[in-house]
Amino acid sequence: AQSVAQPEDQVNVAEGNPLTVKCTYSVSGNPYLFWYVQYPNRGLQFLLKYITGDNLVKGSYGFEAEFNKSQTSFHLKKPSALVSDSALYFCAVRGMGGANNLFFGTGTRLTVIP
Amino acid sequence: DTGVSQNPRHKITKRGQNVTFRCDPISEHNRLYWYRQTLGQGPEFLTYFQNEAQLEKSRLLSDRFSAERPKGSFSTLEIQRTEQGDSAMYLCASSSRGMNTEAFFGQGTRLTVV
Repeated sequence: AQSVAQPEDQVNVAEGNPLTVKCTYSVSGNPYLFWYVQYPNRGLQFLLKYITGDNLVKGSYGFEAEFNKSQTSFHLKKPSALVSDSALYFCAVRGMGGANNLFFGTGTRLTVIP
Repeated sequence: DTGVSQNPRHKITKRGQNVTFRCDPISEHNRLYWYRQTLGQGPEFLTYFQNEAQLEKSRLLSDRFSAERPKGSFSTLEIQRTEQGDSAMYLCASSSRGMNTEAFFGQGTRLTVV
């Protein structure tokens, strides 16, 4: 079975500081990992994905994520946080069946403090 | 707007009533997904269509739930004899053909059963 875990319900960071939102995964086989962001009253927006290749994946809005196979992690990072980055972030792993559906974590609420 | 569209955005219904939600995917996407999201949780997969064929259903999808995608375009999700436990955000997503293409989500329909 495949799953992801987001160990932190809430992350607070000062504006301008680097941010990290943590995600660990459990899959049998190669992992296909995704990050989505959810703003209030808006749908999930795709940020980035890891399929294969470079362990550092760059995505939208200056976000990047580092895939670490030995630690089974896929942490989301940004060098300098903006107040507008405050939102709910979800890590997800693709299922192994034909549907390619996603299994999501419970989400991490990021608050960037001005 | 070329994104995924869901209607209605909000629905309040009395317990025992039937409700139907609509999803219009991105036009060139042949894959369509329904997810359910409750407070404090990540989205959970409900069902998947490839074109007009419903190829996968989660065990979460009880007999009271039915989904259709006639002609492989828009989709509807119907809940019969609603229960209070059905209160949630229902999300629709679509993606193009391919193994690891990302899914694009609509803004969701928030259902409240009173």
